[in-house]
Amino acid sequence: AQKVTQAQTEISVVEKEDVTLDCVYETRDTTYYLFWYKQPPSGELVFLIRRNSFDEQNEISGRYSWNFQKSTSSFNFTITASQVVDSAVYFCALSEARGGSEKLVFGKGTKLTVNP
Amino acid sequence: DGGITQSPKYLFRKEGQNVTLSCEQNLNHDAMYWYRQDPGQGLRLIYYSQIVNDFQKGDIAEGYSVSREKKESFPLTVTSAQKNPTAFYLCASSMNRGPPPEAFFGQGTRLTVV
Repeated sequence: AQKVTQAQTEISVVEKEDVTLDCVYETRDTTYYLFWYKQPPSGELVFLIRRNSFDEQNEISGRYSWNFQKSTSSFNFTITASQVVDSAVYFCALSEARGGSEKLVFGKGTKLTVNP
Repeated sequence: DGGITQSPKYLFRKEGQNVTLSCEQNLNHDAMYWYRQDPGQGLRLIYYSQIVNDFQKGDIAEGYSVSREKKESFPLTVTSAQKNPTAFYLCASSMNRGPPPEAFFGQGTRLTVV
């Protein structure tokens, strides 16, 4: 069975600090996809990134970066120089690659608070 | 603008009543989903539909029902059989081909039993 664990329930940092959100997953499939979503106070989830299991290259997008390590089944998310607008709940999710639309298995989320 | 619209934003239900949550999308997506979010529990899948007139149960379908008569619409009914319906409900949609696509989410409906 698939499972996603986000061990950090809540994190609080001061603006401009770097912060890493951890994500550990379990799956029996060799081909799968990992996602990160952001849920601001308004409620909707906003897609941040999708990574397939064959691509272990780290990715950087502005202040955001992702570290995918198959050896430890982890897909961690780092925000550099955090800002108050980064305050949100962040979800890591996993999907099997069977083609077409697939249901996502979500972690329980990490609530990030960035204080001014 | 393209997107997903959920209504209402807040909904109050009396014990024993059925209520229906609306979800409409104009993204031309084939697949639609309903998730339930409880504090500290993440998102759990209730139902999903990959094509019109077809839908599948998710992990927590008991006490819920759906229909998919139109591509754009995927309403969720919370029935009186759902013992603990107070939660935040999120609707999502995605393409239905290729590798698992990103899902687009609505702004949610917060249901409270009074």
